[in-house]
Amino acid sequence: EAGVAQSPRYKIIEKRQSVAFWCNPISGHATLYWYQQILGQGPKLLIQFQNNGVVDDSQLPKDRFSAERLKGVDSTLKIQPAKLEDSAVYLCASSVSSGRYEQYFGPGTRLTVT
Amino acid sequence: DQQVKQNSPSLSVQEGRISILNCDYTNSMFDYFLWYKKYPAEGPTFLISISSIKDKNEDGRFTVFLNKSAKHLSLHIVPSQPGDSAVYFCAASGGSQGNLIFGKGTKLSVKP
Repeated sequence: EAGVAQSPRYKIIEKRQSVAFWCNPISGHATLYWYQQILGQGPKLLIQFQNNGVVDDSQLPKDRFSAERLKGVDSTLKIQPAKLEDSAVYLCASSVSSGRYEQYFGPGTRLTVT
Repeated sequence: DQQVKQNSPSLSVQEGRISILNCDYTNSMFDYFLWYKKYPAEGPTFLISISSIKDKNEDGRFTVFLNKSAKHLSLHIVPSQPGDSAVYFCAASGGSQGNLIFGKGTKLSVKP
């Protein structure tokens, strides 16, 4: 079974530029999560999708971050414009459904904002 | 305000000995707890979980203990192996949506 795929693996941009990350969850998984992991911290949930609907985006900085999951499969997370404090690893995870189901994580995208 | 705390940033253990990783939480609404393991340049992988109706869950060399009154859980690894060297994250969930709150992690080093 293929795992969660993410691209790119690494990205370096200047502040005020825009960037997009892509995630392909495990086939058949209805729930998709985007996490932000700043160095030395644990992952922090940014947004959770159930199929193509948003379940929780309470911690997503909506003035600069946006995410979509068209057709309930792949998802993209965008930052526009980026700030220095956005430097982090962005992790995508998926699970069979919401609730007490194991979340499977992708390898993450390491973003550096200079 | 950290709801899930891992107060030890690092732990070093000799191969074959027991590793004990600790985690404290503050939110009484949490009813499901998980441990994830993370190697460099990889995403976290699920290790073991425990529901609040239990006080112990075992899976091979890994055992998680939950003390609800103290709002404390621990992960025991016996015997520890060099391949266990990784960062271990404690996570908690209290809602029906499965949202996880993670601690900052503990880096475990198992020396041969």
